[in-house]
Amino acid sequence: NAGVTQTPKFQVLKTGQSMTLQCAQDMNHNSMYWYRQDPGMGLRLIYYSASEGTTDKGEVPNGYNVSRLNKREFSLRLESAAPSQTSVYFCASSERVPDEKLFFGSGTQLSVL
Amino acid sequence: QKEVEQNSGPLSVPEGAIASLNCTYSDRVSQSFFWYRQYSGKSPELIMSIYSNGDKEDGRFTAQLNKASQYVSLLIRDSQPSDSATYLCAVSRDNQGGKLIFGQGTELSVKP
Repeated sequence: NAGVTQTPKFQVLKTGQSMTLQCAQDMNHNSMYWYRQDPGMGLRLIYYSASEGTTDKGEVPNGYNVSRLNKREFSLRLESAAPSQTSVYFCASSERVPDEKLFFGSGTQLSVL
Repeated sequence: QKEVEQNSGPLSVPEGAIASLNCTYSDRVSQSFFWYRQYSGKSPELIMSIYSNGDKEDGRFTAQLNKASQYVSLLIRDSQPSDSATYLCAVSRDNQGGKLIFGQGTELSVKP
């Protein structure tokens, strides 16, 4: 079972470049999330999608955009990357909202120089 | 004050001992509480959830919740070296649509 699949696993960007992180889940979950994890900060929610066709801001949405392409896929876009966006990014899914039993992808290590 | 606070550790216990991990939260309307385990370089995985005051046991793990004191804890009995990981406390306010607020995590090291 693939579960939640994120690509790429590693990425290095220069300040000002753009990129999209891809996420797909094969568990038929309704809800999907993007978190970032920084040392000493725990996980912080960037955006989430409670169901196909809806997206909402989390704690730290500035500098990011998202697209819920279909029920399986939820992408995160950095339009103009900044060094402050250097982090590990996790995509997660859950069966429904509210349902906090999250299933996480393996993460993307992003460095912005 | 952080919404969810944990001691970052590291917490070191000998093999076979009880490891006690603590978490406090600031928002009294919080309804759901979770413990996630994260091995180094890996993604978090859910190990316990608790919704009402008291204790909840699952194998070697016991979660304890005290809403009056805004305190949630995780006890790991008969700790094993394979339990060495970072443990993340997470809290949800149901009216927030299921979004989780995570603590910064406590690093646990179990010494053989």
